[in-house]
Amino acid sequence: KQEVTQIPAALSVPEGENLVLNCSFTDSAIYNLQWFRQDPGKGLTSLLLIQSSQREQTSGRLNASLDKSSGRSTLYIAASQPGDSATYLCAVNAGNMLTFGGGTRLMVKP
Amino acid sequence: DADVTQTPRNRITKTGKRIMLECSQTKGHDRMYWYRQDPGLGLRLIYYSFDVKDINKGEISDGYSVSRQAQAKFSLSLESAIPNQTALYFCATSDPRTSPSTDTQYFGPGTRLTVL
Repeated sequence: KQEVTQIPAALSVPEGENLVLNCSFTDSAIYNLQWFRQDPGKGLTSLLLIQSSQREQTSGRLNASLDKSSGRSTLYIAASQPGDSATYLCAVNAGNMLTFGGGTRLMVKP
Repeated sequence: DADVTQTPRNRITKTGKRIMLECSQTKGHDRMYWYRQDPGLGLRLIYYSFDVKDINKGEISDGYSVSRQAQAKFSLSLESAIPNQTALYFCATSDPRTSPSTDTQYFGPGTRLTVL
């Protein structure tokens, strides 16, 4: 059974800092890995999707990496802003369904 | 208008009551999903449906049932609600025509359910 773990569970940083969120998974037989953002009272927004054959994806200040063999992914956020405050979820797709980690709750202080 | 909508957005009910949560989508996707989210546990799959005639149990289906009334509608029912079903519930859709390597899901805004 696939298990996905995110560390840390919560993180508070001052504005402007670069930060890294971690995601690990137990079964490397995946099609892709996604990072989602969740804001209170709203659904999930897909940030980045990394296919199993890829090593990384970038979107603006976000960079996600994937090391499938070691079962790890990181989400790097550059020059953090208060608007980045949200919960970040990673999810692996091993075929037809997603398995989610518990999320990292990020607070960026002005 | 949102592509995936859920009703109600918030619901407070009492133990033993029957509750139905509804999901509608305008994306034209065949696949639909119901998840629940508890603090610190991410999202866990309750039921999923790959077309109108297909219903499958997910990781935590006990105490829940679903109905796929049409391609665009997928309802989740709690026949006799209990307090530990208090959670945030999400509906999602996906397109089976998408390659598995780029397959993703599109989520509704969620329903916050409280069972007293």
